[in-house]
Order: sequence, then C-alpha cells, then structure tokens
Amino acid sequence: NAGVTQTPKFQVLKTGQSMTLQCAQDMNHEYMSWYRQDPGMGLRLIHYSVGAGITDQGEVPNGYNVSRSTTEDFPLRLLSAAPSQTSVYFCASSPDRFRGYTFGSGTRLTVV
Amino acid sequence: KQEVTQIPAALSVPEGENLVLNCSFTDSAIYNLQWFRQDPGKGLTSLLLIQSSQREQTSGRLNASLDKSSGRSTLYIAASQPGDSATYLCAVIGAEGGNKLVFGAGTILRVKS
Repeated sequence: NAGVTQTPKFQVLKTGQSMTLQCAQDMNHEYMSWYRQDPGMGLRLIHYSVGAGITDQGEVPNGYNVSRSTTEDFPLRLLSAAPSQTSVYFCASSPDRFRGYTFGSGTRLTVV
Repeated sequence: KQEVTQIPAALSVPEGENLVLNCSFTDSAIYNLQWFRQDPGKGLTSLLLIQSSQREQTSGRLNASLDKSSGRSTLYIAASQPGDSATYLCAVIGAEGGNKLVFGAGTILRVKS
C-alpha cells in the first residue's frame, strides 16, 4: 500500500497564480483532511471531508477550495496565491473516529 | 473550543535517560489521542493511538498514558537514544463532528550522545 500520497513535494508560485495540491489515499478511508504547518503556529486545519461529496471548512479555510468527488482523492486548490500561503501542507486520512490518522509526506509551497 | 498544550516546548537530555513528555487538553470529550513524531523537514509518523476507553498503549520503548477525566496524556520514552531526537506532537479527536484532529505545538527533543 502506498498510504497517503501528496504531489508535488515542492512548489514555487508567483503571487496571484493558482494551483492544485494533490492528495490520494489507497486505504479506502472515509475521512480526509488538509493541514498547514507554520513555524510558531503549529498544524492548523484548512478543510476536511467526511466522505465522498462532503467537505467542510476548518480553522483557516480562506483562500483555499476543496472537493471530494471520489473516496481516494482530496485535492486542495489555491485560488490566487499570496505570500501568506507560504507553508508546508499536509494531507491526512482516517478510516473512522477510533483508528487515528495517516499523514502524507507534505508539500512545501513558497509564494513569491 | 478544544485546546491542546504540550510541555515542555523543548527538552535536551543525555543518551540513556528515561523521559516524559506531557500533553493536556481542555475538553475531556474526546474519541482518541494520537502521538506523532516529526523529523526536521519530514512528515508526521504516528507513534501511538489511545482510544478514549483505554488507559495506555505501548510500543517498544514508548508508553503513552491517557487520563481523560483530567485532560492529560504522557509519552514516556525509556532509555533514550540520539535517534529519538525529533519533534513530538500530541493531537486529539474531539466529540464534535468531522473527526478533526487538534494539535499541540509539540515538544522538540534532543538526545545527546
């Protein structure tokens, strides 16, 4: 099993550009989440999904969109990149409330 | 709103010492608590998961305990090694909807050889 796969691993964007961070899991997990990690701020929830077709906002959703058309995939879209979105982004998945989360290896994004 | 606090923020110990990392959370209505390890520039690796009905979990030199009523968990590392140097993160899943993880800020551990 590949687990949770995130692509790309590194990305540099110019302010105003848009892009999609990809996340895929092959464990048939219902729950998927996106977090960003910033120095001094810890890990903060951006968006999450409780199953295909169902998404909701987390703590810091502004500037990001998500969709969940399949159980496997949960892409994160940056609509118009800003320097404040420079961060490390992690995707995670879980089968249910009781068995914990598996994290991807992260995408390091720099917006210049 | 659930808040998770980890103490100490940083810890430096000589190799071979036993050590305890602390995690506290404000809302005791949780489904589970998960301890992660993060190496510099890397992702999160799950170490131990304690469900709300459990008191502790063990894996090798690691032992995690949970006291849900007091809102506390500890991660005990026995006979520490330089390879244990990393950031240790505690996270809880609360009883609110969405199966959302709430993280503490982490403890940076350095084990000196």
